[in-house]
Amino acid sequence: AQSVTQPDIHITVSEGASLELRCNYSYGATPYLFWYVQSPGQGLQLLLKYFSGDTLVQGIKGFEAEFKRSQSSFNLRKPSVHWSDAAEYFCAVGAGYSTLTFGKGTMLLVSP
Amino acid sequence: DADVTQTPRNRITKTGKRIMLECSQTKGHDRMYWYRQDPGLGLRLIYYSFDVKDINKGEISDGYSVSRQAQAKFSLSLESAIPNQTALYFCATSDNRGRTDTQYFGPGTRLTVL
Repeated sequence: AQSVTQPDIHITVSEGASLELRCNYSYGATPYLFWYVQSPGQGLQLLLKYFSGDTLVQGIKGFEAEFKRSQSSFNLRKPSVHWSDAAEYFCAVGAGYSTLTFGKGTMLLVSP
Repeated sequence: DADVTQTPRNRITKTGKRIMLECSQTKGHDRMYWYRQDPGLGLRLIYYSFDVKDINKGEISDGYSVSRQAQAKFSLSLESAIPNQTALYFCATSDNRGRTDTQYFGPGTRLTVL
């Protein structure tokens, strides 16, 4: 069975600083990987996804993520965080023609 | 207009009451899902449907039932609500063309069971 671990429950970053949110997955074959963001009181919005090809994927709002098969990781990065990035971030893994498994989320707090 | 809509957006009910949450989509997707979100637990899959005649249990289906009335409509029912079903409920859809699994979410329904 597939699983996703987001080791950090909360992260605080200063505005303008860089950000990296960690995601580790467990799946036997090549996974499909996703990052979603949930702003307060909102639904989940897709930030980016990886299916195959280039292991560095670009998403919306200046986010990127890198798939590292050897480390079973798909970490989310942003070079300079804005106050509006404060939200909860979810990593998810799928296997094609199936359901997604979500991590428990990482809450990002942005300090002035 | 939103592609995935959920009604109601907020609901307060009492223990033992029957509740129905509705989801409609205009994306033309065949697949629909119901999740619940609890603080610190992320999203957990309740039920999913890959087409109108296909209904599958997810990770936490006990106490819930669903109905897929049409391609565009997928309802979640709590036959006899209990307080630990207080949560944020999300509907999602995905397209079965191509191996993408990308899911698109509705705005959520906040349910409180007293």
